[in-house]
Amino acid sequence: GGIITQTPKFLIGQEGQKLTLKCQQNFNHDTMYWYRQDSGKGLRLIYYSITENDLQKGDLSEGYDASREKKSSFSLTVTSAQKNEMAVFLCASGGYAEQFFGPGTRLTVL
Amino acid sequence: GQQVKQSSPSLTVQEGGISILNCDYENDMFDYFAWYKKYPDNSPTLLISVRSNVDKREDGRLTVFLNKSGKHFSLHITASQPEDTAVYLCAAGMATGGNNKLTFGQGTVLSVIP
Repeated sequence: GGIITQTPKFLIGQEGQKLTLKCQQNFNHDTMYWYRQDSGKGLRLIYYSITENDLQKGDLSEGYDASREKKSSFSLTVTSAQKNEMAVFLCASGGYAEQFFGPGTRLTVL
Repeated sequence: GQQVKQSSPSLTVQEGGISILNCDYENDMFDYFAWYKKYPDNSPTLLISVRSNVDKREDGRLTVFLNKSGKHFSLHITASQPEDTAVYLCAAGMATGGNNKLTFGQGTVLSVIP
């Protein structure tokens, strides 16, 4: 088996701040994903990466950057945090047949 | 627009009854369909999936029905139990040429009451 870790678990930022979320996986999967989870909106894909140094935009990429530094790690940056924004960001790895999710980073912007 | 839609945000079923969760999709290139289950404060996990070459797949109390012409698939849970209470997310993707991407629905909150 494997595991996906996300840091930090809770992230509190100020409006306009640049914030970075990190994800590590030891499944040895090629593809990694970042999703945003909002109540009533399910999971929306922000960025994904099919191999090291690859980046593909999802449906919700505006306002975010991502970086696939190595096979096991995938970072997401909120380029300018929006006031009163609250969401959970989920990292996943795998493929179309099955995706394994991390525990999430809960973002609050004051 | 939303490519994968779950029109019912919530469903309540009596214990022992059948829970039916529905999902509609727009892209007729999708050939892989899945249901994920998510408990509160937990991450989604894969429950059951089906490829487009079949129209039904059973696994214990779970059955996925696929209606390709109607661009619709559903999850039936028989003998529903209180522990089935969770958020159910449908997802669709392309086995080839899809870049390993899945598109998720908005989720349906299933509540099974004793």
